[in-house]
Amino acid sequence: DTAVSQTPKYLVTQMGNDKSIKCEQNLGHDTMYWYKQDSKKFLKIMFSYNNKELIINETVPNRFSPKSPDKAHLNLHINSLELGDSAVYFCASSHPGQGAGSPLHFGNGTRLTVT
Amino acid sequence: GENVEQHPSTLSVQEGDSAVIKCTYSDSASNYFPWYKQELGKRPQLIIDIRSNVGEKKDQRIAVTLNKTAKHFSLHITETQPEDSAVYFCAASNNKLIFGAGTRLAVHP
Repeated sequence: DTAVSQTPKYLVTQMGNDKSIKCEQNLGHDTMYWYKQDSKKFLKIMFSYNNKELIINETVPNRFSPKSPDKAHLNLHINSLELGDSAVYFCASSHPGQGAGSPLHFGNGTRLTVT
Repeated sequence: GENVEQHPSTLSVQEGDSAVIKCTYSDSASNYFPWYKQELGKRPQLIIDIRSNVGEKKDQRIAVTLNKTAKHFSLHITETQPEDSAVYFCAASNNKLIFGAGTRLAVHP
C-alpha cells in the first residue's frame, strides 16, 4: 500500500478556476506538508501541519488554502489559478520526535498545468 | 532563515567513477541533513541522512560527511552505475527542512 497518496496525479485546468488536491498518509505520522516543485526542480515548502494545526506557512499567496480534517489528511485548495501555479505539488509526512529532524516521506506528486 | 546552496547543478561521470555533491548551509542551528534522490517523473526518496552529532555515515556505495564548523556537508557515491542517474537534493533542517537546488547526475555506461 502507498504510504503517502495524493490525488489527482495530473490536473489540467484553465486560468481562474478553483481546484483541490487531496493527500492521505497511512504511516501514523503527526506532521504533513505541501511542497511545490517548479520547472527547474526546486523544492520549496509551502505549508506544514502538526496534528491538524498549522505550524509552517511560507510566503504563499492567499489563493492557496490548506485544510487538515485529521492528522492523516492534508488537502490543498487553490483559488483563481494562475499560469505561474503550474508545477508539481508534493505532499509529504514525517514523524517528529525522532531525535533531531525527521525524514520526509513524499507522495507521488500532482502535476498541475494551468492553461 | 536557513539557506542551502548545492553544487554542482549538473554532474556527468563515467560508470565506475565516483561522484561528489557538495552543500553549504547558513543556519548554525540546523541539526539534520538528509539527501534525497529523485528519478525522472518520480517522487524524491531519502537515500541517506546524517545528524549533527556525527561526522560521517556510510551505506554501501553512498557516504555523507558533515563539517559543522564550516557548515558543509557532502554526498559521495562510489562505483557509480547508470541507475544512479537522477536528481539529488541535499537539505538542512532546524525543525523545517530546506532543500538545495538539486544536482542532476548522469552516469554514462
